[in-house]
Amino acid sequence: SQTIHQWPATLVQPVGSPLSLECTVEGTSNPNLYWYRQAAGRGLQLLFYSVGIGQISSEVPQNLSASRPQDRQFILSSKKLLLSDSGFYLCAWSRFSYQPQHFGDGTRLSIL
Amino acid sequence: GIQVEQSPPDLILQEGANSTLRCNFSDSVNNLQWFHQNPWGQLINLFYIPSGTKQNGRLSATTVATERYSLLYISSSQTTDSGVYFCAVDGEDTGTASKLTFGTGTRLQVTL
Repeated sequence: SQTIHQWPATLVQPVGSPLSLECTVEGTSNPNLYWYRQAAGRGLQLLFYSVGIGQISSEVPQNLSASRPQDRQFILSSKKLLLSDSGFYLCAWSRFSYQPQHFGDGTRLSIL
Repeated sequence: GIQVEQSPPDLILQEGANSTLRCNFSDSVNNLQWFHQNPWGQLINLFYIPSGTKQNGRLSATTVATERYSLLYISSSQTTDSGVYFCAVDGEDTGTASKLTFGTGTRLQVTL
């Protein structure tokens, strides 16, 4: 069966520091991968998606970037965090388009 | 982009009661999913239901694609059903990735 892992679960970072969140999927090959952000008390917003190694599409202009260095690895990064980057970040995968997405447990990011 | 509205925004039930949650969307969809976000933030897949009716235990869902709405039924509610229920849809025909747009959710509290 397929599993998705995200780490860390919780992160507290100072303003201006760099960020790297990692997501890996096991048990499938060439998945579609997604990064979402959830602000407090709100729904999820799609940030990035990837259909293959090195292929990244951005949905929202922002202070973040994403990379996919390996087939089942998706990384969310920032060079300098802003206060507005605080939130709950979730990674998801799907087998193909129009197939259900499955989510990791998320990373709760607080910026001080 | 596609708009997703969920109702009611908040719902308080006594244990054992039944409820119906509604999701309206503004355009035709290729993917519709219902999720339950538990108090720890985990997003649990409930249904992948772009059309038709499905049942899973005490939960069932119906999507009437031609009328652009979906309903989630919870019967004999339990305290573990508490949390936020999200409807998410994908209305774009990218042919590659499925880009979900989330509603703002229904916050359900089940009391003893």
